[in-house]
Amino acid sequence: DTEVTQTPKHLVMGMTNKKSLKCEQHMGHRAMYWYKQKAKKPPELMFVYSYEKLSINESVPSRFSPECPNSSLLNLHLHALQPEDSALYLCASSPPSLDSETQYFGPGTRLLVL
Amino acid sequence: AQSVTQLDSQVPVFEEAPVELRCNYSSSVSVYLFWYVQYPNQGLQLLLKYLSGSTLVKGINGFEAEFNKSQTSFHLRKPSVHISDTAEYFCAVTVGGGKLIFGQGTELSVKP
Repeated sequence: DTEVTQTPKHLVMGMTNKKSLKCEQHMGHRAMYWYKQKAKKPPELMFVYSYEKLSINESVPSRFSPECPNSSLLNLHLHALQPEDSALYLCASSPPSLDSETQYFGPGTRLLVL
Repeated sequence: AQSVTQLDSQVPVFEEAPVELRCNYSSSVSVYLFWYVQYPNQGLQLLLKYLSGSTLVKGINGFEAEFNKSQTSFHLRKPSVHISDTAEYFCAVTVGGGKLIFGQGTELSVKP
């Protein structure tokens, strides 16, 4: 298995809903990342997990809550989002050794907040 | 702090013509450099990377890039483009630690 998978592909939610995004990789990567990408813009880093511990939080609002239950799985829990949170959410992972700076991205979840 | 500048926001080119997408970076320490491609409604795909060693790096789909430390550049080139190369291209830099800094992107539009 040589890819990062993300589910769901699309998500529509209201501002009072609670939902979760899921990211999985089975490549033995030990760092995993969440990015947010608005249309026609580059990805913006949100969170980094290294060896299942949160190592970077880029001052993301608390309505976004990451979770890394194990080395293969990364979740992003969403609660009370705003319409401006509508975006493509990308997950990435990187291997533990000599190539540890290279990030491999999943296909993304396109989120629409109504 | 590091920064990345992609000098062209849009590059129109005819099919089978050569193309160069320009990327300059700023950093006071050694960097690792990447080019990613994003097709419409998809995630980012790694085209190529420079970590160390040879400054000429070859990637997928016939792309290559040259790391020029004195000019702090990492321009992406392809000798002959196809319609299927139409996409957004992002240059990115990191000094390590997981923080990847992206340029604003270059939209490559290949016309028949």
